[in-house]
Amino acid sequence: DTAVSQTPKYLVTQMGNDKSIKCEQNLGHDTMYWYKQDSKKFLKIMFSYNNKELIINETVPNRFSPKSPDKAHLNLHINSLELGDSAVYFCASSQPGHYNEQFFGPGTRLTVL
Amino acid sequence: GEDVEQSLFLSVREGDSSVINCTYTDSSSTYLYWYKQEPGAGLQLLTYIFSNMDMKQDQRLTVLLNKKDKHLSLRIADTQTGDSAIYFCAESPNPYYGGATNKLIFGTGTLLAVQP
Repeated sequence: DTAVSQTPKYLVTQMGNDKSIKCEQNLGHDTMYWYKQDSKKFLKIMFSYNNKELIINETVPNRFSPKSPDKAHLNLHINSLELGDSAVYFCASSQPGHYNEQFFGPGTRLTVL
Repeated sequence: GEDVEQSLFLSVREGDSSVINCTYTDSSSTYLYWYKQEPGAGLQLLTYIFSNMDMKQDQRLTVLLNKKDKHLSLRIADTQTGDSAIYFCAESPNPYYGGATNKLIFGTGTLLAVQP
């Protein structure tokens, strides 16, 4: 009965590869987010979607392409991976109209070699 | 700018009180939050405060908000070893209540280490 789930939990890949991270929430929320946490634990928003529509794109390189097939899913595809993409990526969801409590997934640790 | 500052590290003894401080930047933030991150895990909302409040108490947690100085603090009473984690304050700088553009701007995080 996990609220926000992400797959995979760990991802190790070579520079230049293309990879995807999947996120699903079963909370019935309308809004989903991707955050990036770097090695110094600094967390920064990347994207948010509301009912499959892109709302926020925080100057993320266009190698990163989010896709929301339905409001319960928000996947993140990354092309031409670079060393600097190594981080933990967190998916989150929230329901507009509340105090914007965001529920976070367990994270995907991406390591680019 | 969007810099939310916190001290990096705090060490306390079990049973003592912990106070974690945060300075935020956007006075339009409607809500301010404290999240907890345990090792290898995602973030969990601990508590939040509405911007028209000065203080909020929730069991062992007390949040103080000084809007004039844009200062937020989290006090944990009777700190336990299970409280060891990274604590993030966050602001939501969009004034639209509950809107979908309510991104969270996180602080730099404070690592709380509780010594038995």
